[in-house]
Amino acid sequence: SQQGEEDPQALSIQEGENATMNCSYKTSINNLQWYRQNSGRGLVHLILIRSNEREKHSGRLRVTLDTSKKSSSLLITASRAADTASYFCAIVAAGNKLTFGGGTRVLVKP
Amino acid sequence: GAVVSQHPSWVICKSGTSVKIECRSLDFQATTMFWYRQFPKQSLMLMATSNEGSKATYEQGVEKDKFLINHASLTLSTLTVTSAHPEDSSFYICSVAGRGFEGAPQETQYFGPGTRLLVL
Repeated sequence: SQQGEEDPQALSIQEGENATMNCSYKTSINNLQWYRQNSGRGLVHLILIRSNEREKHSGRLRVTLDTSKKSSSLLITASRAADTASYFCAIVAAGNKLTFGGGTRVLVKP
Repeated sequence: GAVVSQHPSWVICKSGTSVKIECRSLDFQATTMFWYRQFPKQSLMLMATSNEGSKATYEQGVEKDKFLINHASLTLSTLTVTSAHPEDSSFYICSVAGRGFEGAPQETQYFGPGTRLLVL
């Protein structure tokens, strides 16, 4: 399966702490994307990292990509209660079709 | 990013009825629209990809006669769940893709808020 696998499935941290989640996949990719989903809502695009890139930053978010290990990580620094959500990685192997991982549910406690 | 709406946001229907869900791209010419379904606490599963003016491409295991998709314009796609049954109860989400907004990668997809379907 091309589907990304995410680890951990759930994460509970205190406000101010960092949150790290990982995504592994099995095929070659064009790019990998991270999305956030608040409970019962649609998805919000966070970051896209291309296969020839190793690291990207956006505000408090840092994404790394290791194509040799077929893995990516998302780091949220100085977390806030508003960061509570599910986070999904999605790979694009060809065209623009997204294949999502299982997601990591993050709970940030105030 | 693009603003995408879905209507209705939730719907309850009786088994055997058909339900139409609309996905509108309000400020973006969506050459491609995607339909996903999501079960509780699970990931999104792509159901089909539709390009404006052409037939949708369905993923393996998705019945095209059961889930009718129409992408009649660059701003509207509809998903009709025909003869709905309780197992069709799910969260249906659309996304749009096209020429990216300034600063956004062209591959970015913009998601609607989802439609929750409950079939009794």
